[in-house]
Formats: sequence, C-alpha cells, structure tokens
Amino acid sequence: GAVVSQHPSWVICKSGTSVKIECRSLDFQATTMFWYRQFPKQSLMLMATSNEGSKATYEQGVEKDKFLINHASLTLSTLTVTSAHPEDSSFYICSARDDLAGPPVYEQYFGPGTRLTVT
Amino acid sequence: DAKTTQPPSMDCAEGRAANLPCNHSTISGNEYVYWYRQIHSQGPQYIIHGLKNNETNEMASLIITEDRKSSTLILPHATLRDTAVYYCIVRVAGNAGNMLTFGGGTRLMVKP
Repeated sequence: GAVVSQHPSWVICKSGTSVKIECRSLDFQATTMFWYRQFPKQSLMLMATSNEGSKATYEQGVEKDKFLINHASLTLSTLTVTSAHPEDSSFYICSARDDLAGPPVYEQYFGPGTRLTVT
Repeated sequence: DAKTTQPPSMDCAEGRAANLPCNHSTISGNEYVYWYRQIHSQGPQYIIHGLKNNETNEMASLIITEDRKSSTLILPHATLRDTAVYYCIVRVAGNAGNMLTFGGGTRLMVKP
C-alpha cells in the first residue's frame, strides 16, 4: 500500500528556535498534502492544506507566519515551526492524497507523525 | 460535511466481534462514510469506506443502514492490537479539495 513518511519522528528543541518537519509520499505522487496537529487525548485538527507549486491554505486560527509550509515537489511537503514555544508542543501528522486515486474517492494516506517537544 | 456522533469509548473481549456505531443523520446523498483508526502515537490508518452498500475487506465490515443515517464498523475477531481510537468520517465524494475532518472518535479497548 501507499506509504507516507515523516522526518523526524520526534524532536526536542529550545524555545525560540525553529523546527522543520518533512513529509514524503514514497511510492505515489501527491499534489495535495495536509498537515494536522494533535494535542494529548484530543482529535486531529487540520492546520493547513498544502498544494504543490502554490501557497498553502491555512485553517482559521492557524498563524501562517508561524507555521511555514513548503510543497516544493510532488512527493515532499515541509512544515517549519518558527520561533517555537512550549505551547507548540504537539503531535504533528501529515497526510498525502494520491494523485492517481479518484474520483469519486480520493485516497488519503497518513504519515506516522512527529512529536515535537519545546522546552 | 455531515457531522458524526460516536460513543467516546467501548470495551471488547479479545476474540469477540467489536461493533462500533456511528450516527450521521444529516448525511447527504453524495457523501461517503469513511472509517479510520489511530493506534497510540501513530498516524491514522484507513480501514474501510462505503456509500450505501455494505462493504467488507480484510480488516473489517461496514454496515450502513438503508436510510444512511447510521453505520456500524465490525471487527469480526478483535485482537489486543485493535485497541485504538476509531474515527467515523463522512465526506463529499468527487471533490479533490475536500479534506478529512476528524471528530472525537471511539476509544476501543480490547481486553484479554
């Protein structure tokens, strides 16, 4: 089946620094990728939709200048958390939509997640 | 997208069938029912989806009522590895821009 990888799987950083998380579709092309955030014991919350070659679309309440998204190729999207603070500590999950799957059902595959801890 | 309602938690004995209900009373005719699960500290895993007919694959069965206002995910022989949060999601088909929106899900605990 389709595989989505994330790197790193976990990261600890100091407050005020920036962290980059990579999301790759390993065996399919993905024009569209999604970034979710999940706090402990809560559900996944969509942060933004990333489209290759264009600007990301952010959900209401998500700061686009803080969470920089770059979708430079059909298999790679990156999320950079700039000037991270302890409240940004969370589980970040990406998903990628297979360009060749659909309509009507557009298959979406999830990465394993990245746990960010800001100290 | 239609909203879904799931019980927050359920228990199931190992080896028995786990039946997870989902209410989606406002579902539209062009919305599919999807099920995903999330094992602790992992990304969500696709299980199954359907429109109006019952569906079965190697992981589970999906039973959708005739009026499509509710559905049940059935894990026929639950194992300890099936312990996870199960999410029922309805989504409009045919729209490539449509993302998956997760609700609270059902935390299934499979017990020995």
